[in-house]
Parts: sequence; structure tokens; C-alpha cells
Amino acid sequence: GAVVSQHPSWVICKSGTSVKIECRSLDFQATTMFWYRQFPKQSLMLMATSNEGSKATYEQGVEKDKFLINHASLTLSTLTVTSAHPEDSSFYICSARDINFLAGPYEQYFGPGTRLTVT
Amino acid sequence: AQSVTQLDSHVSVSEGTPVLLRCNYSSSYSPSLFWYVQHPNKGLQLLLKYTSAATLVKGINGFEAEFKKSETSFHLTKPSAHMSDAAEYFCVVSDLWSGNQFYFGTGTSLTVIP
Repeated sequence: GAVVSQHPSWVICKSGTSVKIECRSLDFQATTMFWYRQFPKQSLMLMATSNEGSKATYEQGVEKDKFLINHASLTLSTLTVTSAHPEDSSFYICSARDINFLAGPYEQYFGPGTRLTVT
Repeated sequence: AQSVTQLDSHVSVSEGTPVLLRCNYSSSYSPSLFWYVQHPNKGLQLLLKYTSAATLVKGINGFEAEFKKSETSFHLTKPSAHMSDAAEYFCVVSDLWSGNQFYFGTGTSLTVIP
């Protein structure tokens, strides 16, 4: 159980275009999902916290107009990188928190990541 | 403020020898602590977690970690390294005070020498 999927697993796009990444909790419901960014050989950096039915909370330094997050249902959150540039190339990882208290409100289940390359 | 320090950015061991990956944390409240493993170009897999139950936590693939409050440590160990253990390992702290947000360490890269 507790599987999180991401789609696509990798994507190449041209500079100036927009890219949407989906994060789905497959066998549980998640009121909260998180989006992380990871540069090569570095740790994960939290970009934003996404709550179902409300606006996302962005970390300091993350442009909310560039990284659009939508969490329209309890099983799906999307991250759209708008007007992508080469510096946006990175590994994007989402995670989801199970709303079932017995599963532990503190645990996050991670997706496999999406490799974005902007040319 | 919550933070995690992974004391070694890189650890190299011979196959069959013990593994020790060190993690120290700072937390204002009763913390939850996690170890995750990440293989190249893959997502994170949970190895084990501590959530105020037994201080010695056993995880998958023979890994275990001991929560030591007096030392604010949560070191990851394995008695005998396997080639498949070569990966990046992240220590994570979370607590209610921070709304259960995850704070990641900078990671430790484990190399296993045949």
C-alpha cells in the first residue's frame, strides 16, 4: 500500500514552454501533498505544500507564478512549470501524506520523481 | 528550529563489513525521525522510522537505527554491507511543532567495494 506515482517520469521541453507534472496517490487519500526539487548530488528542497481544495503554500524563494500547483482532488496534485528555462532543469519529487490518522499523520510517501530537462 | 546534520557526505565500505551512517538532529519537540534511501534517478524508499516507540528501530534490508535523545542522534547501521546497498541515504526529522514538515539532511553517499 501507500503508493505514489508521478507522470511523466522524464520530460524534455524547449525553453519558453510549460510542462505539467502529475502526482497521484494510488491507494490512499491525501489532503496534503508536497513538491520537492533535487539538483544533482544534492538533497531535496521543499518547494511547496499543497492542500486539497486550497492554495498551495510556497517556500521562500520559490516563485508561485512560475511553479503552479493545483490539488483538485484527494488523490491528485499537479505542478506546472511555466515558461521553463534551462535553469529549471531538475529532478522533481512529490510526496503525499495519508489522511488516515492510524497511518501516522507524520509520514510522507514519495513518488519516483520526474526528470525535467529544458533545452 | 528543526535541522538534520549528516556528518559524512560520503562513506565507503567493503562488501560484508559493517555500515554506519551518522545523523544528528535538532528539534524543538518530540521528533519523528526517518531514514530514506535513493538509488540513482529513483525516488525515495523508506528504510525505517522512529515515532516515539522503541528507541531501536529495525527496518528493511537489514538496516536498523537507534534513537538516542541524550546525544540527539539517529545513526543508521547494518552489520554486513551488500553491493546493492550502494546508494544515497537521507536522514529526515519531523515534528508536530513544525506541522510535520520534513527536514532533510544533505545526504550520505554509500559506496560498497567488492
